[in-house]
Amino acid sequence: GAVVSQHPSWVICKSGTSVKIECRSLDFQATTMFWYRQFPKQSLMLMATSNEGSKATYEQGVEKDKFLINHASLTLSTLTVTSAHPEDSSFYICSAGDRDNEQFFGPGTRLTVL
Amino acid sequence: AQSVAQPEDQVNVAEGNPLTVKCTYSVSGNPYLFWYVQYPNRGLQFLLKYITGDNLVKGSYGFEAEFNKSQTSFHLKKPSALVSDSALYFCAVRDRDTGGFKTIFGAGTRLFVKA
Repeated sequence: GAVVSQHPSWVICKSGTSVKIECRSLDFQATTMFWYRQFPKQSLMLMATSNEGSKATYEQGVEKDKFLINHASLTLSTLTVTSAHPEDSSFYICSAGDRDNEQFFGPGTRLTVL
Repeated sequence: AQSVAQPEDQVNVAEGNPLTVKCTYSVSGNPYLFWYVQYPNRGLQFLLKYITGDNLVKGSYGFEAEFNKSQTSFHLKKPSALVSDSALYFCAVRDRDTGGFKTIFGAGTRLFVKA
């Protein structure tokens, strides 16, 4: 099946720094990519939807200037958490959709902000 | 608007017994329905999906789910539970008519299978 990778798998950073997380579709072209965050023992909350070459659509309550999403190619989307704070610590999961309307999930990135 | 409800935070079952994890959904159009499993500190693993056709869907690892349109349910089942099935299970829905790719997840149900 289709594979989606995320890098890094985990990251620890200091408060106030920015962190970039990459999401790649390894063997298919992803017309749409999604970013979710998951707090401990909670469900996945959709943060934003990005289409290649256009601006991301953010869900209500998600700060677009805080969580910068770039989808520059059909195989790569990045999420940058700017000026990270401890409350941004979470598990971030991306997913990628192919042309047949299938959606595939990455393994997730655990962000810890000290 | 789409929504998914998983009424049980946790389900406990003995190994070898049948298991059911409940899910109900709400969409304005016709649904795509999914079940995913998540192990600690891991991403989601796809189990099965309902798109159209047979209401009983068979998926990975011996799991199956039954789509019930009148009850708007999509309960996950397995005839004989294994200890290794212990994990967090998510039901998800996508509105095929209006939702595009947007997938909404339930709160999750933790399955605990006791040896």
